[in-house]
Parts: sequence; C-alpha cells; structure tokens
Amino acid sequence: IVLTQSPGTLSLSPGERATLSCRASQSVTSSYLAWFQQKPGQAPRLLIYDASTRATAIPDRFSGSGSGTDFTLTISRLEPEDFAVYYCQQYGSSPFSFGPGTKVDI
Amino acid sequence: EVQLVESGGGLVKPGGSLRLSCAASGFTFSHYSMNWVRQAPGKGLEWVSSISSSSNFIYYADSVKGRFTISRDNAKNSLYLQMDSLRAEDTAVYYCARGQYSGSYYGVYWGQGTLVTVSS
Repeated sequence: IVLTQSPGTLSLSPGERATLSCRASQSVTSSYLAWFQQKPGQAPRLLIYDASTRATAIPDRFSGSGSGTDFTLTISRLEPEDFAVYYCQQYGSSPFSFGPGTKVDI
Repeated sequence: EVQLVESGGGLVKPGGSLRLSCAASGFTFSHYSMNWVRQAPGKGLEWVSSISSSSNFIYYADSVKGRFTISRDNAKNSLYLQMDSLRAEDTAVYYCARGQYSGSYYGVYWGQGTLVTVSS
C-alpha cells in the first residue's frame, strides 16, 4: 500500500487549526493507521493509532479520523511545540509502509 | 520506564555486513512485537522489518528482503537486525520500536537510533 500525504508543507501560526491528509492506494485493513510526530534530531513519537485513538499522554488537541483510503490528522489549535514533521503509517498489511511526511512550520 | 537502546551501527563498505542490537528494559519483552524503522539522512521514515512476540511472524520491506534478517532473544530482552550485502542506500539511522501488543506493528516506544553508514 502506497501512502500519500498532503500537503507537503503546511505554513501556519500558533493558535491556528492544522488539517493533514493521508491517502492510501488501497483500503487500509481495519483502519490500522497510525500518526507520528518527529522533531529534528529526535525519534518519532506516536500520536494516534487505529486511525482515531490517541496514544498515552497525547493532548486532546490532536485527533485522527478516517477509514478505507482517506485519513486525517487534525491539530485543533497549534502550540509552538507542534511545529514538526508528521508521518502516517499503515500496519494492516505488510509491507507496513509510511507516508512521505507533512512538515508543519511557522 | 520503557527503554530501548540500539547499538552496532558504524561505517561499513558496500557488500559488507553489520549486526544491530536493541536492548530492551522496563517491560516484559516477550509479550510485545518489535520493529526496525530507518531514516536516511534528511529523508522520511522507512519501515524495515517486524517480528511478533514469539517470532512466529516476520515481515520485511522489499528493499531489504533476502539481505536483512530480524531476530529476537526473549531470554536476553534483545532484538537484532543482521544486515548483509549492504548498499549505499542502506545508509540511515536505524530505530528499534516496540509494538502495542504481541501482533501490532507500529512503534509505541522508540529508541534513539544507531547510525549505519555504507561507504567505500
């Protein structure tokens, strides 16, 4: 399954809403889709799994939605620490591919 | 506290081999699937390989199939990645990541990574 993320870069200001898209080339089994945040020099951090379940200690301004081939990560109000690169990954069928990422910058 | 510490990275010539290790602590290692994910310099994340808790299920990316071998030793709380026939395009930071449960193949906890450089 090939994952396509859009846009490639999202330029926003703190307090604004961010909407990130992840589209799959075929249906993702059981909505087995995760979202990760990565900052420079750091390991990725799990935000969302099973398309819409927030991981432990993830603020509720992060939400995930979607099913089938179309998934969305929404950050309701951007905080300064949210400026990073975001990746989606499907784990419904091997190979468990990642998308190319969306950079959220100021 | 969950800890994952990768080791074994370094500089290797094309065609050479390297064995990465990931030492796990802070959880019952034998209960969870494990994963290797890599990131080439300045590039995105690439899933490499996954293994279920009891090693019954093993998966590889097409780009490494036949060259890399994932394994685990539950008695030693360790995950391994044997990398043979290395190519320049294998140059990356390699992360190990723990799954959510026995058969889940996304990373809940991640190590800090180990750098593998393939160059002559």
